Amino acid sequence: EIVLTQSPGTLSLSPGERVTLSCRASQGLTNNYLAWYQQKPAQAPRLLIYEVSNRATGIPDRFSGSGSGTDYTLTISRLEPEDFAVYYCQHYITSSGTFGGGTQVEIK
Amino acid sequence: EVQLVESGGGLVQPGGSLRLSCAASGFTFGSHIMSWVRQAPGKGLEWVSSIGTGRGVSYSADSVRGRFSIFRDDPKNTLYLQMNSLKAEDTALYYCARRSRVAVGDDYWGQGTLVIVSS
Repeated sequence: EIVLTQSPGTLSLSPGERVTLSCRASQGLTNNYLAWYQQKPAQAPRLLIYEVSNRATGIPDRFSGSGSGTDYTLTISRLEPEDFAVYYCQHYITSSGTFGGGTQVEIK
Repeated sequence: EVQLVESGGGLVQPGGSLRLSCAASGFTFGSHIMSWVRQAPGKGLEWVSSIGTGRGVSYSADSVRGRFSIFRDDPKNTLYLQMNSLKAEDTALYYCARRSRVAVGDDYWGQGTLVIVSS
């Protein structure tokens, strides 16, 4: 079973900064089915990126995803006030949908 | 408008059972893979179970396999999660989620239903 490790656990940043979130898999992913979600307090998760690098409908282009093998990244080019939230990566295979532990992006 | 509305949560004793429902509207329910994802209080997301379309195959996480069953009633546009032999560690907010037909990602989520397992 693949384990996804997200780092760091918490990031303290200011609006306007660039942020890079990491998602590392315990073994190389054999498909491109890596997604990123954003979750704000008391809200359901929202799909940001699917299949490593594709933005979901309505997601601003300041969000981008990349990676391959065991290392995947979500980048927010310039933090907006509404971007402070928790971010999760998820890997899909036919029989499961493992999540990473999440990274909280908080206001500095 | 796509809507997913979960119900059926509540307080249940350890060892008890509960059935969650997710009423779907605004899309062709039968054409989508559906999933349950849970979140324990103050914790991260945990995938629980998914079911394919039609007489779709279902899969569950190791933590719930043999205790939880996912099934769907396409004419009723409803997804279910039958939870048996509940444990304290099953306490969580349970979300249902729709898999996109054009992308491998869950593009719509309900607001969740809370399950508390406690004596």
